[in-house]
Amino acid sequence: KNEVEQSPQNLTAQEGEFITINCSYSVGISALHWLQQHPGGGIVSLFMLSSGKKKHGRLIATINIQEKHSSLHITASHPRDSAVYICAVVRYGQLTFGSGTQLTVLP
Amino acid sequence: GAGVSQSPRYKVAKRGQDVALRCDPISGHVSLFWYQQALGQGPEFLTYFQNEAQLDKSGLPSDRFFAERPEGSVSTLKIQRTQQEDSAVYLCASSLGRSGRETQYFGPGTRLLVL
Repeated sequence: KNEVEQSPQNLTAQEGEFITINCSYSVGISALHWLQQHPGGGIVSLFMLSSGKKKHGRLIATINIQEKHSSLHITASHPRDSAVYICAVVRYGQLTFGSGTQLTVLP
Repeated sequence: GAGVSQSPRYKVAKRGQDVALRCDPISGHVSLFWYQQALGQGPEFLTYFQNEAQLDKSGLPSDRFFAERPEGSVSTLKIQRTQQEDSAVYLCASSLGRSGRETQYFGPGTRLLVL
């Protein structure tokens, strides 16, 4: 079993929809990152959080340390949000990544 | 300022050939990470440097993989006697501090194809 599991693996939404991507992990961590990867490989860090909730524009990330679960929400989704979203946990200073969620937002 | 850069962006190698992949981190960043990303998968940790010291190389898949950062800035990942299973995108990331809990800034990656 992978230490970091994401769901769904693929997600297609219509423009404007509210989107949720989930991440569950099975080990103790010191922090969790949400990353965005566009075609061509470039990865951008969206959030790093260790408790509670963070918001940046239309993106919201939450984490529940007791339940070992985090969610990434996108409000009012737009086609430019189409990308792979990756959850990564920090353990002993090292990142362990989920396999990513491919999001496609249709106009 | 400039972000993390990697070169080459694409590399095609014949099986058995040695390759060297370069990473230029953001100036002043202490920590540097190498990751391997197979098609359709998330990145996997290879190795980590704090300045010039390689503190963790537990993710290197075999002794054909070697990384260095001799002056604490530019890093090179070398793969000897490449095999087809080495085909992947190799990502480099850097961060300002040492804790592992900071934002990592990723380079564009080097896409390696071994024929």
